[in-house]
Amino acid sequence: QSALTQPPSASGSPGQSVTISCTGSSSDVGGYNHVSWYQQHPGKAPKLMIYEVNKRPSGVPDRFSGSKSGNTASLTVSGLQAEDEADYYCNSYAGSNNYVFGTGTKVTVL
Amino acid sequence: QVQLQESGPGLVKPSETLSLTCSVSDASMRNYYFSWIRQPPGGGLEWIGYVHYDGYTSYSPSLKSRVTMSVDKSKNQFSLKLSSGTAADTAVYYCARPVAVNNPDAFHIWGQGTLVTVSS
Repeated sequence: QSALTQPPSASGSPGQSVTISCTGSSSDVGGYNHVSWYQQHPGKAPKLMIYEVNKRPSGVPDRFSGSKSGNTASLTVSGLQAEDEADYYCNSYAGSNNYVFGTGTKVTVL
Repeated sequence: QVQLQESGPGLVKPSETLSLTCSVSDASMRNYYFSWIRQPPGGGLEWIGYVHYDGYTSYSPSLKSRVTMSVDKSKNQFSLKLSSGTAADTAVYYCARPVAVNNPDAFHIWGQGTLVTVSS
């Protein structure tokens, strides 16, 4: 299975919104509502931000939201803050008990 | 909150087997799936596979021929073995537990990661 496609980079000013896309196929993103998103700061382990397309784990600010349309999932960060600058990865169930990550997006807060 | 801790050799010779263990801080392993995920230096995340508390496993198709995962309930540990190591296996290896029991999705609790280098 191939990695899901994400833009290499995205940016926004503090207070603005940024949306990251995650494009797969009908065999993964489009076929299941099992898409999750992870935030990773340099040298740290990833942190779960969104699961099952649009659910937030306890403790994740509601500035983070997820959605899906067809074969593309999206993560939106509203009210950007300096600490949101990080790498973001999507992940999807890909059938046959397999999972696949996205290529990753570096978010810069200008 | 439960904590995960990876351990194992940081250096493996080419063609040898990479072996890692993930220790779970409490007795909360029951009915959870535990995944192994790796990240090469400067690269992205790659799902390697999972093992369930009861021993069910699933491996990434690209690594399936070289991967073995198992659980040791008595020690609150699960393990990863990756055979025939090459330089391409050099990465930070993470273990992770999902949000809910009996559901492999959504890797919620992560270990801090351990760097394994494959080199002579």
